Amino acid sequence: NAGVTQTPKFQVLKTGQSMTLQCAQDMNHNSMYWYRQDPGMGLRLIYYSASEGTTDKGEVPNGYNVSRLNKREFSLRLESAAPSQTSVYFCASSGAGSQADTQYFGPGTRLTVL
Amino acid sequence: GQSLEQPSEVTAVEGAIVQINCTYQTSGFYGLSWYQQHDGGAPTFLSYNALDGLEETGRFSSFLSRSDSYGYLLLQELQMKDSASYFCAVRATSGTYKYIFGTGTRLKVLA
Repeated sequence: NAGVTQTPKFQVLKTGQSMTLQCAQDMNHNSMYWYRQDPGMGLRLIYYSASEGTTDKGEVPNGYNVSRLNKREFSLRLESAAPSQTSVYFCASSGAGSQADTQYFGPGTRLTVL
Repeated sequence: GQSLEQPSEVTAVEGAIVQINCTYQTSGFYGLSWYQQHDGGAPTFLSYNALDGLEETGRFSSFLSRSDSYGYLLLQELQMKDSASYFCAVRATSGTYKYIFGTGTRLKVLA
């Protein structure tokens, strides 16, 4: 099992450009999440999806959109990138029942917006 | 507002025991989790407490007191590989999976 995979690993954008970060999990998990982590900071939830077909805002959703394409895939889109969105982006997933509070993280995407 | 507080840095020597505290102030509470993150890596799950008391997993233990809005992670028999950042996280809302993370505690283990 690959667990949670993310593409790309690194990306440099110019202000105003758009891009989509891809995330996939092969653990048959219901819930998926997108976080951002700024230097020396904790993780902040951008959006999450409790199940296929549903998405909900987290703590810092402005400037982002998400799509839960199917049970495996959850993408994050930046429509018009800004320097304030320079960060490391982590995707995570979790299962159901007693496994709901164990999140498995992908390796991250390091995004720089110039 | 909702917040979690952790010490920013803790230093200890190899073989010692270290405790990393976490106090939380949230509108609701449905469990406290702990994650480890090495530099340049992804967070990995360590433990979860939904009820008061101590949970033990090998060298790591986690404690929760809901009445005090407080928990801690205890690391025993410290090894150099334990040098990392440790984050506490709270699920604050029932029926959803919105998590709030602390800003992390950087643990340095000295030889």
